[in-house]
Amino acid sequence: KQEVTQIPAALSVPEGENLVLNCSFTDSAIYNLQWFRQDPGKGLTSLLLIQSSQREQTSGRLNASLDKSSGRSTLYIAASQPGDSATYLCAVLSYNTDKLIFGTGTRLQVFP
Amino acid sequence: ETGVTQSPTHLIKTRGQQVTLRCSSQSGHNTVSWYQQALGQGPQFIFQYYREEENGRGNFPPRFSGLQFPNYSSELNVNALELDDSALYLCASSLGAGPANEQFFGPGTRLTVL
Repeated sequence: KQEVTQIPAALSVPEGENLVLNCSFTDSAIYNLQWFRQDPGKGLTSLLLIQSSQREQTSGRLNASLDKSSGRSTLYIAASQPGDSATYLCAVLSYNTDKLIFGTGTRLQVFP
Repeated sequence: ETGVTQSPTHLIKTRGQQVTLRCSSQSGHNTVSWYQQALGQGPQFIFQYYREEENGRGNFPPRFSGLQFPNYSSELNVNALELDDSALYLCASSLGAGPANEQFFGPGTRLTVL
């Protein structure tokens, strides 16, 4: 059974710091891995999608890497800003279930 | 191009009642998936509809049911509401049902069961 874990559960950093969010999954048989952003009480905004054959994806200040063999992904946020404050969720699409399995998220606060 | 929309935004019900949540898929998308997100948790897959047929279901009891209409909009119905049904309900639409199709999420409906 696929399980997705995100560490840390919460993170508070001053503006301008570079930071890394971690996601691990137990079954490496995945189609892809996706990182989402969720503002309080709101829906999900897709940030980056990495196909199983890819090693990383970049969008602006965001860079996500995928190491399927070790069951790990990281989301790197450069030069963090207060507007980056949100919960970040990772999700994997597994071969055996064909549905998105989500982690519980990392709640990020960036203070001025 | 219109994104995924959901209605209502918020809803309050009492135990034992029934509720219907609605989702309009993004233009051109024929697949809708529904998720339940309890407070502090990640979303959990409820079921998916593809071309008006259920196409996969998560670990939810039969009192959670759905429909998809010819225009690909969808409803989630929950009967005999329980306190634990309080959650944010998210729908996501995609161009097809296969794993290569990225899902786009709506803003969610916040359901509170008293």
